[in-house]
Order: sequence, then C-alpha cells, then structure tokens
Amino acid sequence: QKEVEQDPGPLSVPEGAIVSLNCTYSNSAFQYFMWYRQYSRKGPELLMYTYSSGNKEDGRFTAQVDKSSKYISLFIRDSQPSDSATYLCAMISDYKLSFGAGTTVTVRA
Amino acid sequence: GAVVSQHPSWVICKSGTSVKIECRSLDFQATTMFWYRQFPKQSLMLMATSNEGSKATYEQGVEKDKFLINHASLTLSTLTVTSAHPEDSSFYICSARMAARNQPQHFGDGTRLSIL
Repeated sequence: QKEVEQDPGPLSVPEGAIVSLNCTYSNSAFQYFMWYRQYSRKGPELLMYTYSSGNKEDGRFTAQVDKSSKYISLFIRDSQPSDSATYLCAMISDYKLSFGAGTTVTVRA
Repeated sequence: GAVVSQHPSWVICKSGTSVKIECRSLDFQATTMFWYRQFPKQSLMLMATSNEGSKATYEQGVEKDKFLINHASLTLSTLTVTSAHPEDSSFYICSARMAARNQPQHFGDGTRLSIL
C-alpha cells in the first residue's frame, strides 16, 4: 500500500464547474500538506500549503485537511480551461516529501 | 517569491557525452536542493538530496557516479549526467527548500534530456 493514494483520473469537467480532488494517506506522522499544479512539460507549481485540519482558501482554491480521517482535498471553483493540468498532493513527515500519483484534470470550454 | 530557475530546459546530445543541468534559487537561500526524475504520466521520483557544502544523499538505486551533484552555494546546485546513454533520457526536475525542513519545496521548470 502506498503512503499517499491519489486517483490518477483523468477528470474532465465543463468550464465553470467545481473541480474536487482528494488524497488519502496512511502515515499519521504526516503533518504538512501541499497541493501542486503541473502543466505538461513544466515543473510543479505550489498552490496550497497547510498544516492544520480545516479549510484554507486562496482565491478560487480551497484546501481541506482532515487529519482524523487522513484525507485531504482541493476544490477549484469556477474552473477555467487554464486550470487543465495535473494536480499532485504532497505531504511532509520526518522532513521527507511524499507525493501522490497526480490527477489529470481537463476543463472543457 | 520563491522562484527556482532551471537551465537548460531541453537538451539533445549524443550517447557518451556528459550533460550538466543547473538549478538556481533566485530570490531565497536554498539550504537544501533536490533532484527528481519524472517518466511520462508518472509522479516524481526523488533521485538525491543535497545540502549546501556537503555531499549529496542518493536514493536507493541511483548511481552516484552516473549522476554527479554539486551544491556549492545557497543558490546553485548542478546535476551532471556522466556518459549519458539513451536510457538516461527523461525529464529531470530540481527543487529548493529554505532552511526550515517543514517548508514546502519550490520546483524549477524541468529539463528534458534526450540522448541519441
């Protein structure tokens, strides 16, 4: 079993829809949680960084962490075609970064 | 803020040559830098971790004599792929992190390496 599980998708939504992404993890030592966006042939770009349970909002993006259920989510409101990318969840424990497999999202115009 | 620049973005070379990839943190001091390899439609695979002024720590299965890493300053790390062969063709990505080890990593835009 992988430490971080993420459904690779692909996920296709119409423009304006809410994109919902999630990851589960098995290691309760994970304390810091991130979401990265990666466009094709580019490096990952940090979108959100959180370390406590609850919600964190930044523009159209909301990151949610539930440590009791070992579950994190990313919501993208009013999705745009420019949001089409691969989204990777990542977590830190013992100062080591672990990635999910990444979910490929396509927002259709 | 937290910009990481990676160069070159794409390199094509003949089998047997050595290729150097540079990774620079432009607006922060990177105590630690990381080198990843990514295959198509797969997640990132950590190759090595380097701290400024010390030898890199390589992940299991990564040949340290094949992938030479130098982290001579707080803003620059280099990866040299020595005597490259077609199987070394891949997408290589660096990242950098500030001093606090719970801080997120910031990534460069990657280098596409093609060995003919």
